[in-house]
This record gives sequence, structure tokens and C-alpha cells, in this order.
Amino acid sequence: EAGVTQFPSHSVIEKGQTVTLRCDPISGHDNLYWYRRVMGKEIKFLLHFVKESKQDESGMPNNRFLAERTGGTYSTLKVQPAELEDSGVYFCASSPRVSPTYEQYFGPGTRLTVT
Amino acid sequence: AQTVTQSQPEMSVQEAETVTLSCTYDTSESDYYLFWYKQPPSRQMILVIRQEAYKQQNATENRFSVNFQKAAKSFSLKISDSQLGDAAMYFCAYRSARNFGNEKLTFGTGTRLTIIP
Repeated sequence: EAGVTQFPSHSVIEKGQTVTLRCDPISGHDNLYWYRRVMGKEIKFLLHFVKESKQDESGMPNNRFLAERTGGTYSTLKVQPAELEDSGVYFCASSPRVSPTYEQYFGPGTRLTVT
Repeated sequence: AQTVTQSQPEMSVQEAETVTLSCTYDTSESDYYLFWYKQPPSRQMILVIRQEAYKQQNATENRFSVNFQKAAKSFSLKISDSQLGDAAMYFCAYRSARNFGNEKLTFGTGTRLTIIP
């Protein structure tokens, strides 16, 4: 079974540009989460999808961030326009809708550098 | 809001020895879940061990065990017989037992564990 995949693995963009990150969850997982880790700090929650609906977007930092999950499969996270403080590693995780262990399965992350 | 604190940014241990990673948390909830995740240098984060707050018995998974002290809000991870493959970043995480908008994980800042051959 394929794990959570994320694309690209690295992205370097200039301030003011737009970047789109993609996450493909494990097949059949209704829950999809986005997290971000800024260098040396904790991993912070951004938002949670259940299928194509946003269940919790309390962690989204501002309106420069737009997440979508059309059709309830893969998800994209767009940052427009990017700022220096957006640099960090963006993780995606997925889990089944009903899980006895509450485990979230993480992707390898996308390292975003804004210069 | 819940917070998770890992006060040891870096730890090192001799191969085959035992090491304990610390984690404390703050919450007003009585029912929740705690996790230790491991992120090896290849970057995919995986679950090491989990603990339900309503269980008094400490969770164990082979060489990994936790010391869960609910009153003290402490959740430390003990790794016995450390192996080179244990070298990684370890994150402590909290999840509310409530669902429907409360399923996110709250993480600490992580502890980088080095294994000395």
C-alpha cells in the first residue's frame, strides 16, 4: 500500500511568487491534514479535511493560504503571494474516518524556502 | 488551548544503552491521547507509541515504553537497548479525545536523538 506522498520535495521561490504544494493521501483515507514546521519550532496544525469538506481550518495563518481537496482525494495548498515567514516544511497526513488508534500517517514533507 | 513542551532539544546515548526523552503538556481536558512520533533523517514521520489518558497502564512497544503521569501531565519515552536506527527527531504530540473539529495533533518542538556507536 502506497503511503502519503507530497510534491514537490523542495521548492525555492522568491517573495511575492506563488507556490502550490500537493498531497496525495493513502487511498481510502477520508481525513487529510496539513501541518507546518518552521525551522526549530514545533509542528503546527494548519487545517483538516474530511473528504472534500474543511472540518477545521483554525490553523491557517492568513488569507494568503488556500487549501483545496476537490473530489475528496488529493489536496493542494497554495501560498499566494509568498512571504519570507512562510519558509518551512509543510507536512501532510491522512487517516481513516474511523480509526481505533487515531494514528495519522505522514508524508515526507515539502521544504519551502522563500527568498 | 493545549500545549506540549519538549525541554531537551538534543540528546545522545551510547548504542545499547537506555535513554529517556521528556515531554510535558498542558490541558484542561480529562480524556485525550498522547503520541510519540519519530522522524528519521529520510523525513517520513512514523508513530512510535501511543497512550490513552484513561488507561493507567503505561504503553509499551518492544524496546519503547512510556512513563505516563497524568496528574503531573508528563509523558516521557524510554528507549531501551538503543540501536543506530533509533537516531531521529522525536516529537511528542497530543490529541483531544473529542472528534468533529478537534482531531488535530498538537506537537512539541522535538528532541534530536543521536546514537553513539
